[in-house]
Amino acid sequence: DAKTTQPNSMESNEEEPVHLPCNHSTISGTDYIHWYRQLPSQGPEYVIHGLTSNVNNRMASLAIAEDRKSSTLILHRATLRDAAVYYCILRWQGGSEKLVFGKGTKLTVNP
Amino acid sequence: DVKVTQSSRYLVKRTGEKVFLECVQDMDHENMFWYRQDPGLGLRLIYFSYDVKMKEKGDIPEGYSVSREKKERFSLILESASTNQTSMYLCASSPETVGNQPQHFGDGTRLSIL
Repeated sequence: DAKTTQPNSMESNEEEPVHLPCNHSTISGTDYIHWYRQLPSQGPEYVIHGLTSNVNNRMASLAIAEDRKSSTLILHRATLRDAAVYYCILRWQGGSEKLVFGKGTKLTVNP
Repeated sequence: DVKVTQSSRYLVKRTGEKVFLECVQDMDHENMFWYRQDPGLGLRLIYFSYDVKMKEKGDIPEGYSVSREKKERFSLILESASTNQTSMYLCASSPETVGNQPQHFGDGTRLSIL
């Protein structure tokens, strides 16, 4: 799986939007962009994924740059429960059995 | 929503014991996975299964075995537990392994081997 780069940490205030960036300059045309998050002492949780177009679901939005070399996960109104480590990963369209997480971004949400 | 349930959140066992970790998913997914997660080492795949009674080794299968007798259940077995198997164990499932299919995880079992 191709490499992604994320900031080590970010802070936000409750009820404000959060934009979590991810760079993936070596992405290939057949790589999907996936986001997971992991709350303390819990298993990873799937958040969202996309290929070329922006995507929305009940948890978040994913904005993908036109050249696909970067993407941004958007939490529209942060809550304390959103405090977690967020992982951006690339998955080849043809698939592979394992997920490979980098260090991710640790998001702190202030009350 | 997909539900992946791991039998225990916390488990303490002794060196040399045979340890069973159970995982059940309720979405009729074909594929199931066992990972371990350690600080600084990230997620590492132990075994996975793409069908009943089928299993494939992941990156670190030594000291482990698995069983999948029913589609919804995937068990991880530590044949003779050792202290270096103290870790967070995560079970996941997915409908397929293609790149547009996410994996759904359980809450994990934090296993301590004394």
